Amino acid sequence: AIQLTQSPSSLSASVGDTVTISCRSSHGISGSLAWYHQIPGKPPRLLVYDGSSLPSGVPSRFSGSGFGTDFTLTINSLQPEDFGTYFCQQCNNYPLTFGPGTKVDVK
Amino acid sequence: EVQLLESGGGLVQPGGSLRLSCSASGFTFTSYAMSWLRQAPGKGLEWISVSSVSARATYYADSVKGRFTISRDNSKNTLYLQMNSLRVEDTAVYYCAKDTGSGAIVPQSFDQWGQGTLVTVSS
Repeated sequence: AIQLTQSPSSLSASVGDTVTISCRSSHGISGSLAWYHQIPGKPPRLLVYDGSSLPSGVPSRFSGSGFGTDFTLTINSLQPEDFGTYFCQQCNNYPLTFGPGTKVDVK
Repeated sequence: EVQLLESGGGLVQPGGSLRLSCSASGFTFTSYAMSWLRQAPGKGLEWISVSSVSARATYYADSVKGRFTISRDNSKNTLYLQMNSLRVEDTAVYYCAKDTGSGAIVPQSFDQWGQGTLVTVSS
């Protein structure tokens, strides 16, 4: 199975900051990566699919980039509702796998 | 509005069985492959299984292969997960989720998730 690692595992940030989260794949997955945001007690919410596409309703302060084995999620001007945990997911083959998560909390 | 509503979770002893259901509405259920995923308390996300629209194609994670069976009833817009030989390590919130894109069963992201149902395996 493809393994995903995320860095950092956690970070502290303030409202208005720019946040960058990295996801690295054990195998090349072209652009087949998704990003999710999760708040405790809630299901994950899809932020980015196919590496850089935003679903309808996701604010433009979120952006995804990368190809192959290295991917990045960038959040510009962090908002209060953006705190929580971010997961990447490879969509290249089954079994689908997720990164361990990056927890973003208030500085 | 898309809605996915899981049910059937609860407390079960090791070795026991449980069947989860996911009732879907607000989209054309017969156009999308559907998956089950889970999240152990305080842990990350684990994809478990996917069913094609027709249910003729299914895939499973190694951790549940041979114990869990995914199925769907398109006439009822409902997805199921039959879980047998349950283990303590199967304790988790179980989510059903809809593929982002419609059509053939291909690995992809999930744009809609249910609220989840908690399964606790304990003696």
